[in-house]
Amino acid sequence: NAGVMQNPRHLVRRRGQEARLRCSPMKGHSHVYWYRQLPEEGLKFMVYLQKENIIDESGMPKERFSAEFPKEGPSILRIQQVVRGDSAAYFCASSLQGGNGNTIYFGEGSWLTVV
Amino acid sequence: SQELEQSPQSLIVQEGKNLTINCTSSKTLYGLYWYKQKYGEGLIFLMMLQKGGEEKSHEKITAKLDEKKQQSSLHITASQPSHAGIYLCGADDPGGGADGLTFGKGTHLIIQP
Repeated sequence: NAGVMQNPRHLVRRRGQEARLRCSPMKGHSHVYWYRQLPEEGLKFMVYLQKENIIDESGMPKERFSAEFPKEGPSILRIQQVVRGDSAAYFCASSLQGGNGNTIYFGEGSWLTVV
Repeated sequence: SQELEQSPQSLIVQEGKNLTINCTSSKTLYGLYWYKQKYGEGLIFLMMLQKGGEEKSHEKITAKLDEKKQQSSLHITASQPSHAGIYLCGADDPGGGADGLTFGKGTHLIIQP
């Protein structure tokens, strides 16, 4: 799972600024997932993407959050006009194939702090 | 929606002792994953179970999925300080859909020397 690379590892933003979190999946993986871990809460699914396509965004907040996984380059989770409640650990994961029964490997996470 | 209940929420065990962590689902499990997370770090994949009655082991950690596929247990034998961390169980969407895993809230394991 060391192959899923996330950056930055730690990010501090003032309220109202934008946060961009990047994720490079494991080599050969074309399925990417973003999760959020809030203090005192569990890990919550946000969005599932394949190259250039959003497959499932049922866990994404309706406003200010967006995700992409372009043909070239890393997947990006973008949070606009951040608020204090956005402070959390954001984890990216990847798998070789989609659907059930495929091992999902996680990155080290990006810790966002909004001040 | 599926919910996973982990017990206990936290556990303090003396080094060398055995321990068990449980994960119970509100629905039939079609794929159950165990991960370990160290504080401030990412999740490390431990094992995946799919079949009722299935049991897998890795070093001193054994995980089982019960026959009815609604509960899984993680057992650590002769615990060591390196086993300390948060253990998370995650489950596939029972509808076989494309979304991600549903996770329990985790079990915090502390190993006392």
